[in-house]
Amino acid sequence: ILNVEQSPQSLHVQEGDSTNFTCSFPSSNFYALHWYRWETAKSPEALFVMTLNGDEKKKGRISATLNTKEGYSYLYIKGSQPEDSATYLCASYTGNQFYFGTGTSLTVIP
Amino acid sequence: DVKVTQSSRYLVKRTGEKVFLECVQDMDHENMFWYRQDPGLGLRLIYFSYDVKMKEKGDIPEGYSVSREKKERFSLILESASTNQTSMYLCASSSPDREGNEQYFGPGTRLTVT
Repeated sequence: ILNVEQSPQSLHVQEGDSTNFTCSFPSSNFYALHWYRWETAKSPEALFVMTLNGDEKKKGRISATLNTKEGYSYLYIKGSQPEDSATYLCASYTGNQFYFGTGTSLTVIP
Repeated sequence: DVKVTQSSRYLVKRTGEKVFLECVQDMDHENMFWYRQDPGLGLRLIYFSYDVKMKEKGDIPEGYSVSREKKERFSLILESASTNQTSMYLCASSSPDREGNEQYFGPGTRLTVT
């Protein structure tokens, strides 16, 4: 079992603040790193899939970076909005199996 | 749009009952997965399947079995439900043709065993 860790566990920010979360994963047996957003009463939805060291991906106000050599990924949200409130999950894919972190719960206060 | 559907959103069963959780995907994905999600533990893989009639144990297969008779359907079976199987169950599908084997999830089934 791979140990994937996310921090912080939860976060409360004011609307308009920028924020970031961390996902740490073992750099051995690495194939891909996934970020998902999971809103209450909905299905987890893929935000980013990254495979290459140094990858940076962006979707609107949300972006992510990947460092496979040291085994971490950052997710950034610029100018948080209430609709960004969700749990953000990361998962390390080894080419055979996915290993998920416990998630970061984000609450954006209007 | 990829759709992954699960047979029930909420389910209440008694200890010892046999429970079937069904998952259907409509994108012809080869891979299907069953996870459970518990507070503070994240998503944990129960079983997965990379092809019809094929199954592999995940990290916590004890007390569960699966069936994949057709490509689009992956069933999770609790042979004799126990209270420690009360949890949120999520099904997912993916295709190796997508970058990094991106997963698509169903809405989840919240199972309560009393």
